[in-house]
Amino acid sequence: SQTIHQWPATLVQPVGSPLSLECTVEGTSNPNLYWYRQAAGRGLQLLFYSVGIGQISSEVPQNLSASRPQDRQFILSSKKLLLSDSGFYLCAWSQKWSGELFFGEGSRLTVL
Amino acid sequence: AQSVTQLDSQVPVFEEAPVELRCNYSSSVSVYLFWYVQYPNQGLQLLLKYLSGSTLVESINGFEAEFNKSQTSFHLRKPSVHISDTAEYFCAVSATQGGSEKLVFGKGTKLTVNP
Repeated sequence: SQTIHQWPATLVQPVGSPLSLECTVEGTSNPNLYWYRQAAGRGLQLLFYSVGIGQISSEVPQNLSASRPQDRQFILSSKKLLLSDSGFYLCAWSQKWSGELFFGEGSRLTVL
Repeated sequence: AQSVTQLDSQVPVFEEAPVELRCNYSSSVSVYLFWYVQYPNQGLQLLLKYLSGSTLVESINGFEAEFNKSQTSFHLRKPSVHISDTAEYFCAVSATQGGSEKLVFGKGTKLTVNP
């Protein structure tokens, strides 16, 4: 069966520090991969998605970047965090053409 | 582009009462529709989905939703709720483009079931 792992689960970082959140999927190949951010009262905002290795689409201009160095690995990064980067970040995957997403457990980032 | 409107941000109900969580969508193309549930500090889990066929879809825990194309709605219902149904519920819509699917979510409805 397929599983998705996301880490770290919680992270407290000072303003201006770098960020790396990692997500890996097991049990499937060539998935679509997604990063969402969830802020209170604002639902889920799609940040990045990827249909293949090295292929990244950005949905919202921001202080973050994403990379897909391997087929089942998706990384969310920042060189310098802002206070507004605080939130709950969710990684997800889907099979091609299915329209259904499978989510990781999330990473809660607090920027102080 | 697609968009989703969840009309109620919070819905409080008593245990064993019926509940309806409303969802309306906007799209110029055919869509898939989903309801996801999120328990505190967890990721989202698929509750039910409409891809094609019967417009009434059901989940294993008693929820159901009906796709109404003319009203562009996909409301979620349960005839009798339990305390354990307390969670946040998200309606979502997708339309394929190229080789990717992008799921657009509503802002969520917090369902609180009180004893």
